[in-house]
Amino acid sequence: KNQVEQSPQSLIILEGKNCTLQCNYTVSPFSNLRWYKQDTGRGPVSLTIMTFSENTKSNGRYTATLDADTKQSSLHITASQLSDSASYICVVSAVQGGKLIFGQGTELSVKP
Amino acid sequence: EPEVTQTPSHQVTQMGQEVILRCVPISNHLYFYWYRQILGQKVEFLVSFYNNEISEKSEIFDDQFSVERPDGSNFTLKIRSTKLEDSAMYFCASGDIDITYGELFFGEGSRLTVL
Repeated sequence: KNQVEQSPQSLIILEGKNCTLQCNYTVSPFSNLRWYKQDTGRGPVSLTIMTFSENTKSNGRYTATLDADTKQSSLHITASQLSDSASYICVVSAVQGGKLIFGQGTELSVKP
Repeated sequence: EPEVTQTPSHQVTQMGQEVILRCVPISNHLYFYWYRQILGQKVEFLVSFYNNEISEKSEIFDDQFSVERPDGSNFTLKIRSTKLEDSAMYFCASGDIDITYGELFFGEGSRLTVL
């Protein structure tokens, strides 16, 4: 069964600190992996999208990594800001079916 | 910057009533989607729409649901007879190529509360 699991479920960090969020997936055949940021009550906003041939991609202070062999991805946030407080969702696309499989998200809270 | 817009932002309805949620996708996009998110749960796929027809739908998308693109700009989701468990945030999304390979842009969502 195609699944996306994220850890931790929630995380609290101090402003200015770094953090890393994890994503494991069992989606096959794999097409790409995305990380989205979702503010409370808002729609998801894309941070990165990576195909199987890419193992790292950055978007400002966000850096995503992908290991297609172990089916793991991480999202590293550098020098966190209060505005980084949100849910971060790992989403995997299968080659067939045209659907996106969503993880349950990691709720990040950045405290001053 | 182009964006997906959704209306209403919040709708409260009585169980059994019909609801229509509206979306205006990004103008040059060809692929349209509805997703829903029950409070505290994962985002779930409902339906995809391309070339004026449904290309795929999930198990959630039963006969109570329908989608329509009545003109060149709007994309609607209709729930014929709402149930309590339909209470959720409904997100419209669009893309210029198949999402298997391309970017997907979400609207801000329509919160549906069924009483």
